[in-house]
Amino acid sequence: DGGITQSPKYLFRKEGQNVTLSCEQNLNHDAMYWYRQDPGQGLRLIYYSQIVNDFQKGDIAEGYSVSREKKESFPLTVTSAQKNPTAFYLCASSRSPINQPQHFGDGTRLSIL
Amino acid sequence: GESVGLHLPTLSVQEGDNSIINCAYSNSASDYFIWYKQESGKGPQFIIDIRSNMDKRQGQRVTVLLNKTVKHLSLQIAATQPGDSAVYFCAENKGDTGNQFYFGTGTSLTVIP
Repeated sequence: DGGITQSPKYLFRKEGQNVTLSCEQNLNHDAMYWYRQDPGQGLRLIYYSQIVNDFQKGDIAEGYSVSREKKESFPLTVTSAQKNPTAFYLCASSRSPINQPQHFGDGTRLSIL
Repeated sequence: GESVGLHLPTLSVQEGDNSIINCAYSNSASDYFIWYKQESGKGPQFIIDIRSNMDKRQGQRVTVLLNKTVKHLSLQIAATQPGDSAVYFCAENKGDTGNQFYFGTGTSLTVIP
């Protein structure tokens, strides 16, 4: 089945530690996205990539980094600079260029130890 | 900033009844809208979309209505089933060159057997 796979499902971070969330898609989509979901709030865009080897900051990029070395993969690193990382992180992908539905993975829940 | 909002945070319906979930949007440049369903602990699932050149679009048991005059979007679910219990939220495109969206905070639908 085609889809988006996020791993791990649950992740714990220690103080001062960087952690990386994995996102893989086999939908042959050009564009990929990372969102953060907090209770009572709409999804907020962290980073997005419209093509391999290119990515753009979203609304809340501070404390996060990404790479897009392969079309299928868009990993997100939550750095120690992100002071409030506890959230549900969602990865999505879509066809290009515009007005295309974004399809989501099942998320990674990140908590602080 | 512009945002997408929902009129009711929670909605309870009897199994077999029809459900109506509403969404107000404020970005007059938006021309593409999506409804998503999100079950607990999972990623959002695409339900149906509509473009601004349409007023109504039907899917399987779902209908989306778009009223551009009052910037209002609704999702109608026919013969609501227990499996429809979830959070539903709408998304509007930002009308820019990227495939980016504003996401609403969601309405929690509970179906009473």
